[in-house]
Amino acid sequence: QVQLLESGGGVVQPGGSLRLSCSASGFTFSSFGMHWVRQAPGKGLEWVAFISYDGSNKNHADSVKGRFTISRDNSKNTLDLQMNSLRPEDTAVYYCAKNRGYNYGYDAFDYWGQGTLVTVSS
Amino acid sequence: EIVLTQSPGTLSLSPGERATLSCWASQSVSYSYLAWYQQKPGQAPRLLIYGASSRATGIPDRFSGSGSGTDFTLTISRLEPEDFAVYYCQQYGSSTITFGQGTRLEIK
Repeated sequence: QVQLLESGGGVVQPGGSLRLSCSASGFTFSSFGMHWVRQAPGKGLEWVAFISYDGSNKNHADSVKGRFTISRDNSKNTLDLQMNSLRPEDTAVYYCAKNRGYNYGYDAFDYWGQGTLVTVSS
Repeated sequence: EIVLTQSPGTLSLSPGERATLSCWASQSVSYSYLAWYQQKPGQAPRLLIYGASSRATGIPDRFSGSGSGTDFTLTISRLEPEDFAVYYCQQYGSSTITFGQGTRLEIK
C-alpha cells in the first residue's frame, strides 16, 4: 500500500533553516509528481511546492519562493524540502502528497503523509 | 492566483440528511481541475473528488461532485456519522494551486 512518511520537523529560530524529507513506498515513486502542502495550527491548507516525476519541473508558492526548494531522489524514493530564512508565519504541519495520475504537471493529491510539525519561534 | 471561496463556513445537519457544499472560483478553473478533500481532526486530508465530478478510489457513492467554470458543488446524499468533518475544495488548473478556506460540517 502507498505510504508517505515525513520527517525533519522541529523547532527553529527565525532566520534558521530546516530540511524536511518524505520517504515513499508502495508505488513507483519515479513515475509521479509530488507536492508539499502546509497547514498552520487551526488554519486551512496551503500548497507549498511541486516537483515533476523526473525533477525537471519545479514550482513554488510565492510565499516561499526564494526561501524554500523542493527536490527529489528517485534512486532513494525520497522527496525533500529545504527551508531557509524561516519566519514565524512558516509555522505549520507540512505534508507531502502524491499526484493522482501520471501527469507531467499537476493533478489532484490522492495520498498524503501524516505530516511533520515545523515551529519557528525564538 | 485563483481565489476559491467556500460556502457556507459551517453547516449543521443531522445524519441521514443531504449536504450541499459550494465552492466559487474567482476565475474559470481550467479543464475543471477541481478537487474536494475531507479532513478530520488530527488527520491528513483525504481525496474525495477530482476533475470536478470523478470519485476517487474507495469513496462511497453518496459523495458526488458537479460544476464547471467558476461554480462547483460537493453533495453528500445521506450523511453518515463519519462524514462530519472539514471539507476543502482545491483547484489545480493554474500555475499556483489554491485551496478554499474550508466548510465545517457539524452534527446538528
